[in-house]
Order: sequence, then structure tokens, then C-alpha cells
Amino acid sequence: QKEVEQNSGPLSVPEGAIASLNCTYSDRVSQSFFWYRQYSGKSPELIMSIYSNGDKEDGRFTAQLNKASQYVSLLIRDSQPSDSATYLCAVNDAGGTSYGKLTFGQGTILTVHP
Amino acid sequence: SAVISQKPSRDICQRGTSLTIQCQVDSQVTMMFWYRQQPGQSLTLIATANQGSEATYESGFVIDKFPISRPNLTFSTLTVSNMSPEDSSIYLCSVETDTGELFFGEGSRLTVL
Repeated sequence: QKEVEQNSGPLSVPEGAIASLNCTYSDRVSQSFFWYRQYSGKSPELIMSIYSNGDKEDGRFTAQLNKASQYVSLLIRDSQPSDSATYLCAVNDAGGTSYGKLTFGQGTILTVHP
Repeated sequence: SAVISQKPSRDICQRGTSLTIQCQVDSQVTMMFWYRQQPGQSLTLIATANQGSEATYESGFVIDKFPISRPNLTFSTLTVSNMSPEDSSIYLCSVETDTGELFFGEGSRLTVL
């Protein structure tokens, strides 16, 4: 059974700091990796996707992927209180023809305090 | 991205009844999915809604409990049948875009008494 593991947190960081969120996955042949942000009472919002080893940067967000270690991370620079949310790691169902069949981790609760 | 509208946004239902959730997308999409998020949990895929054919269900989910319709490329429904308190969840419609990314509707929060 495919598994995606995240520390549930909560992870608390001061405003302006770097928040580091980590995720490991069990299926070695997984190809596509996503980070979603979910505010309380809201639906998940896609913030980053990454498909190849290395770093991918988008504004204050950097996704890092290491397929050999089966590890994907999300760095949030200059963290703001508005970044306080649950961050969900998701992995594509390897071998399928669609990116939409995702396996989600349990999510990491991030709190950015002023 | 796509604009995905779901209704109802929330409902309170009695045990043994059924509820149909509607999902409308503002553009034609090939792939639509239904996910469930139980209280305090992450998301679990229920099924892929296939246009013009029967939905494809994931392990642990069956058509009798969660019948799905997909009459065209912009609309789908999920019915939660013969509900019990264990069905209390957020049900989320999602679509896959041409770029291979998955976007979610606002969800339908269901409480079963």
C-alpha cells in the first residue's frame, strides 16, 4: 500500500523565519509530487508541483525532491502569519495515466507567530 | 486553473437517507475525481468520474454506497447513500487540468445525525 508520511506538527516558527516541511513516500516509482495548503474550513489549494530531482522555486516557496531518498520538502522563506495552515504533501499514483489520482499525507500544521 | 462549484456547501442529514452533491466546472475537463476528507484526516480518493461510462472506484468504496454520474465534461454528481454518522465528512470534487495539476472545489460538508 502506498504511503505518504508527514510530521503532523504543529510546527511553530517566528515571523520572517524559514519554515521547513518534510514528506517521505513509500512507492519508489512515484513520479509527480505536490504541495497543497489548506486553511481551516477551506479546501486544499495547490501551491507547488515538482516532477524532477532538485529544487523548484516559486516566490517564497521552494520545493525540493530527492527520488533516491524518496523525500520531498517544502521551504517557506520569510514566513508570514498568513502562511499558518495545514500543508499537505501528495504523490501521484504511480503507473496511472492521470495525475489526479493522488495519495495524500496526513498534513503538517504550520503556525507562524508574530 | 478551473473554477469548480459544489453544492450544497453543507448539509445536516438523518441516518438512512441519501444526499446528492453536485459539481460544476467552468470549462470542459477530461478527468474529474471525488475525494473525501473525514474529520481531522487527510484526503482519500473515492472514485474517478468517467464521462459517459461507469465511475472507477478505489479500494474500500463501492458504487452502491457512492453512485456517481458524469453526464458531460463539465458536471458530475456524487450520492452518499443510506448514510450513517461515519459518513460525516467533507466531500470534494476535483479536476485535473491540461497541465496535469489537480484543483479542488470548496467542498460539501456533510453531517449525519
